[in-house]
Amino acid sequence: TQLLEQSPQFLSIQEGENLTVYCNSSSVFSSLQWYRQEPGEGPVLLVTVVTGGEVKKLKRLTFQFGDARKDSSLHITAAQPGDTGLYLCAGSFNDMRFGAGTRLTVKP
Amino acid sequence: GAVVSQHPSRVICKSGTSVKIECRSLDFQATTMFWYRQFPKQSLMLMATSNEGSKATYEQGVEKDKFLINHASLTLSTLTVTSAHPEDSSFYICSAQEGRGPSGYTFGSGTRLTVV
Repeated sequence: TQLLEQSPQFLSIQEGENLTVYCNSSSVFSSLQWYRQEPGEGPVLLVTVVTGGEVKKLKRLTFQFGDARKDSSLHITAAQPGDTGLYLCAGSFNDMRFGAGTRLTVKP
Repeated sequence: GAVVSQHPSRVICKSGTSVKIECRSLDFQATTMFWYRQFPKQSLMLMATSNEGSKATYEQGVEKDKFLINHASLTLSTLTVTSAHPEDSSFYICSAQEGRGPSGYTFGSGTRLTVV
């Protein structure tokens, strides 16, 4: 059972389109992380959000933490083929648990 | 930044044999390391939490006698898959936590295990 529900699981879009990935839980997290993973490699941290309502921007990526610290979203503006990959949200308790992941494909 | 080295990156073994995977924190000490398993096109599932100097904590459904974890030093944790079967074939990833902050998790590059 996943503590974190991530949607959509698969997303295929054209270059230049915008997209949003959602991460939801019934639990309150002290922090939530977003990772990106390439095939055959370990996940690489994109951002950590800690404060309810927090918004962080990383170039074309915008991350938001829900006010109640139970959910988060990742918005990508003007997606590029280089954004293709598996995006994972993860929540920290005493360990780190991952959502099911969103496999994004951006077509040129 | 913090670096975690995982070795080997790929291993093929015969059914019934054992395979050891190493996870090292190169420039920091990690009292806690985590082992994950990832099947194709799926997310990472936590297998166990490795604690330096004490027994590992296994997640429900993970056989501790099959997946032996040893965390004998502050920079090294090992995962041994004993009596491997084809269904154990998977991508195994470790992570180590530096400090106490939520951003302190660093992941290894993973080990692709294929049991034939």
